[in-house]
Amino acid sequence: TQLLEQSPQFLSIQEGENLTVYCNSSSVFSSLQWYRQEPGEGPVLLVTVVTGGEVKKLKRLTFQFGDARKDSSLHITAAQPGDTGLYLCAGTKAAGNKLTFGGGTRVLVKP
Amino acid sequence: NAGVTQTPKFQVLKTGQSMTLQCAQDMNHNSMYWYRQDPGMGLRLIYYSASEGTTDKGEVPNGYNVSRLNKREFSLRLESAAPSQTSVYFCASNIGTDYGYTFGSGTRLTVV
Repeated sequence: TQLLEQSPQFLSIQEGENLTVYCNSSSVFSSLQWYRQEPGEGPVLLVTVVTGGEVKKLKRLTFQFGDARKDSSLHITAAQPGDTGLYLCAGTKAAGNKLTFGGGTRVLVKP
Repeated sequence: NAGVTQTPKFQVLKTGQSMTLQCAQDMNHNSMYWYRQDPGMGLRLIYYSASEGTTDKGEVPNGYNVSRLNKREFSLRLESAAPSQTSVYFCASNIGTDYGYTFGSGTRLTVV
């Protein structure tokens, strides 16, 4: 069992639809990061959230950190084929600790 | 800026062979990491180096050794490769342990 559970594992949608990816844990995290990984490449950092209840927006992507700092979500509005990729959440349980990654959500946006 | 550079990109080894994966970063980052990525397992930390001159074990260190050669370079060595080490290996770096990581593009290793 992974410390960070992501759901769903796979999501296939049509261009223009909205989607939400979830990252859950029974543990409290001091911070959470979201990455996107494309085939044959390493993960690329999208955002870091550090405060319970925090919401950050990056163009059509909205990231939320749960009030209790045990969960996070990523919402994409009007998805585009360029949003296709593997989305990974990763957290640190305390300042100075190493990142723990979730298993990832594979998103496919069809034109 | 090249960011994090890993070599080689692909490698096939026979069981029992040894090899070193190279990683270099040009961002003056203090911390460097080695992860492996397997289907359904996410990214798992093998070893890390919080600063030049220090290295520590991560979640899955068995069968691996590392060297932080200087601030830029962090290598991962497999002394006697096993099929269970077939994976994609990623090197990453960051300015400090609470900051976002910059990843290399990975080394795809197959052990037969």
